[in-house]
Amino acid sequence: QKEVEQNSGPLSVPEGAIASLNCTYSDRGSQSFFWYRQYSGKSPELIMFIYSNGDKEDGRFTAQLNKASQYVSLLIRDSQPSDSATYLCAVQGAQKLVFGQGTRLTINP
Amino acid sequence: EAGVAQSPRYKIIEKRQSVAFWCNPISGHATLYWYQQILGQGPKLLIQFQNNGVVDDSQLPKDRFSAERLKGVDSTLKIQPAKLEDSAVYLCASSYGTTDTQYFGPGTRLTVL
Repeated sequence: QKEVEQNSGPLSVPEGAIASLNCTYSDRGSQSFFWYRQYSGKSPELIMFIYSNGDKEDGRFTAQLNKASQYVSLLIRDSQPSDSATYLCAVQGAQKLVFGQGTRLTINP
Repeated sequence: EAGVAQSPRYKIIEKRQSVAFWCNPISGHATLYWYQQILGQGPKLLIQFQNNGVVDDSQLPKDRFSAERLKGVDSTLKIQPAKLEDSAVYLCASSYGTTDTQYFGPGTRLTVL
């Protein structure tokens, strides 16, 4: 079992709709959870982090964490073509940040 | 505030040659990381430094990869000799502490022929 799992996609969403990205992790002791966005040929950039169960909103982005189910998600409201990228879920263990393989998201105009 | 700097941005070498990458972290960041990202995969941690000490190098292929962070600031990652499977983007990241948010540099794209 991979430490952090994401559906590699591609996930195709029409412009203006809600994009939902999911991630599961195996280490129950994980404390911090991050979503990075990576455009093709670029390095990852942080979108959001979440530490506590529940929802955390920042503009059009909402991160959701359920530690009991070992599940974290990212919702993107009012999706724009500029949101087309690969989204990486990263989970912080005791000392190490472990990344999923990423989900490729395409927003169709 | 300047971000994480890396050089070179691109490098093409032949197998069995050696190559070195350089990273300058964000000022004040004590923790520095080197990741390998193969096309279509997420970044994989190779080595993590806290100041100039190694915190984790469990996934570093030590027969061919080496890294150092002298004086606790800049770092270099070396591959000698390179193999075809080392073709990847090498990302450097830094953070204040070991569990703080990591910020990535632009990466070095290595092609081994």
